[in-house]
Amino acid sequence: KNEVEQSPQNLTAQEGEFITINCSYSVGISALHWLQQHPGGGIVSLFMLSSGKKKHGRLIATINIQEKHSSLHITASHPRDSAVYICAALMDSNYQLIWGAGTKLIIKP
Amino acid sequence: NAGVTQTPKFQVLKTGQSMTLQCAQDMNHNSMYWYRQDPGMGLRLIYYSASEGTTDKGEVPNGYNVSRLNKREFSLRLESAAPSQTSVYFCASSVLRHSSLRGMGYEQYFGPGTRLTVT
Repeated sequence: KNEVEQSPQNLTAQEGEFITINCSYSVGISALHWLQQHPGGGIVSLFMLSSGKKKHGRLIATINIQEKHSSLHITASHPRDSAVYICAALMDSNYQLIWGAGTKLIIKP
Repeated sequence: NAGVTQTPKFQVLKTGQSMTLQCAQDMNHNSMYWYRQDPGMGLRLIYYSASEGTTDKGEVPNGYNVSRLNKREFSLRLESAAPSQTSVYFCASSVLRHSSLRGMGYEQYFGPGTRLTVT
């Protein structure tokens, strides 16, 4: 069993829909890292959070340390949000990042 | 700021050839990382350098060597390339590995990637 699990693996939605991507982990962590990988391959850091919620534009990330779960939400989704979204857990034992396999999101116009 | 740069962007090698992937960052980050990404799989850490002068193995170090040349540059070398090393390679950096701010400082910034094919 992977230590970091993302769901769903693939998600297709219509423009304007509210999107939720989930990340669950089984190890003790200090923080959770959300990143976006564009269709062209580039990887961009979105959030690093250790508690509560962070918001940037239409993106919201939440984390519940007790439940070992984080979510990434996209409001008013747009085709340009189409990308692979990756979560990575920062282990509190050795500060290594454990990577999820990613969620491929397609937003149709 | 250019951020994290990698060269080359694409490379084709024959089995047994050697090459070095170059990575540089201009953000004054302490830590640097090399990852590989294969289709359908997540990022896998090859080697990392917590600070200038130190390097450590990651999850998949076999067949690779690294050099932290200075604070800015971290290179990855394939001494004898194999088809199993066909992959996309990413370099990343972060401010520091140990921080008094919980989790902060570990946010990683990525280069554009190198697509390597070994035939």
